[in-house]
Amino acid sequence: AQKITQTQPGMFVQEKEAVTLDCTYDTSDPSYGLFWYKQPSSGEMIFLIYQGSYDQQNATEGRYSLNFQKARKSANLVISASQLGDSAMYFCAMREFNYGGSQGNLIFGKGTKLSVKP
Amino acid sequence: DGGITQSPKYLFRKEGQNVTLSCEQNLNHDAMYWYRQDPGQGLRLIYYSQIVNDFQKGDIAEGYSVSREKKESFPLTVTSAQKNPTAFYLCASSIPSSSYRGSNQPQHFGDGTRLSIL
Repeated sequence: AQKITQTQPGMFVQEKEAVTLDCTYDTSDPSYGLFWYKQPSSGEMIFLIYQGSYDQQNATEGRYSLNFQKARKSANLVISASQLGDSAMYFCAMREFNYGGSQGNLIFGKGTKLSVKP
Repeated sequence: DGGITQSPKYLFRKEGQNVTLSCEQNLNHDAMYWYRQDPGQGLRLIYYSQIVNDFQKGDIAEGYSVSREKKESFPLTVTSAQKNPTAFYLCASSIPSSSYRGSNQPQHFGDGTRLSIL
């Protein structure tokens, strides 16, 4: 079974609007962390935001925020006021702190391609 | 500036040939990782190393080999046994995920090497 599921292969958003990228995860480990990365067409992976399973508040970093719903095992990324430079692939990843068989390594979803329209 | 340098940016392999991808970091990170990315897919872990002179197989290690003789360097060799090597290869580094201090720390990535078959 997939541990990280990103159900939207591609999405479009109008410039200056907000967009939500979905991520659901599967783990029995009570201690875990969730990461979002951005991959522009040039290929590098850029870290955006982190949410720990014990964090009481949803993480925010500038225009990025994480809608963390622990009971539903979802960690959706919200980008506010989209810009043309936000067009990229976005990956959700999970680290299980007690390893859960993954030795503490990151497990990546298959990504969502976001296109921002002018 | 601290960062991760991967070289070359593009690499071509002939049938039966071994090729080596370079990854160097000056972030003073103990842990280093190699990932493979196929078109439209997420990242899959090939090998990882939490400390110098030690490394572990990831999910898709067959046909690949690594060494970790120096903290700064983690080269990946794609051997002739890897029958489908065409992919984008990403190297990353981080504080070791096995430590609490490292549990919420993101992995930092290089710009990648694109490998193709001649």
